Amino acid sequence: GIQVEQSPPDLILQEGANSTLRCNFSDSVNNLQWFHQNPWGQLINLFYIPSGTKQNGRLSATTVATERYSLLYISSSQTTDSGVYFCAVPSSYNTDKLIFGTGTRLQVFP
Amino acid sequence: DAEITQSPRHKITETGRQVTLACHQTWNHNNMFWYRQDLGHGLRLIHYSYGVHDTNKGEVSDGYSVSRSNTEDLPLTLESAASSQTSVYFCASSESRGGAPYEQYFGPGTRLTVT
Repeated sequence: GIQVEQSPPDLILQEGANSTLRCNFSDSVNNLQWFHQNPWGQLINLFYIPSGTKQNGRLSATTVATERYSLLYISSSQTTDSGVYFCAVPSSYNTDKLIFGTGTRLQVFP
Repeated sequence: DAEITQSPRHKITETGRQVTLACHQTWNHNNMFWYRQDLGHGLRLIHYSYGVHDTNKGEVSDGYSVSRSNTEDLPLTLESAASSQTSVYFCASSESRGGAPYEQYFGPGTRLTVT
């Protein structure tokens, strides 16, 4: 089955710093989502981005489907950005069943 | 606003008991999913449904069952709870778009402890 790898596994930043999180996947996909799991455990949708680039405030994401990776950019990080960031892709092409990466744990300190 | 809710949010039960976790969505989505989240494994798919009376097994379905009698609800039942089923359970839903996958939205989760 499809493999999803995220890097780095852990990231520690000071407030105001920028960061890039990476998601690699082993097969063609037509769906990719980025989520933020906050310290209370809630999964928050960040981006639905099968291809191309999207921006939402300080966050942006780029998926290059032909090269099987996606990047999540966080600029001017804030303490509220802390938590775990997951990417998820379909378990096979054109299915709704998601396979999650193991996540990047981000800690932002004041 | 449309939403997806789960109840209870926390549950402690004993080994061998039957437990049902509720999931209700007001998005009017056809697709609904149950995942479990464990340390070291991320989120894994338990069961899913593409519509009323449709249910399918995911990658970790043993010991779990679901039924879909209406669009809004997909309850998850643990027939005989085991300690290995201690986990956080998430329900999700998504639109159908002619079979093409679309964005999934997640509920707040249920933390289940089996003693």
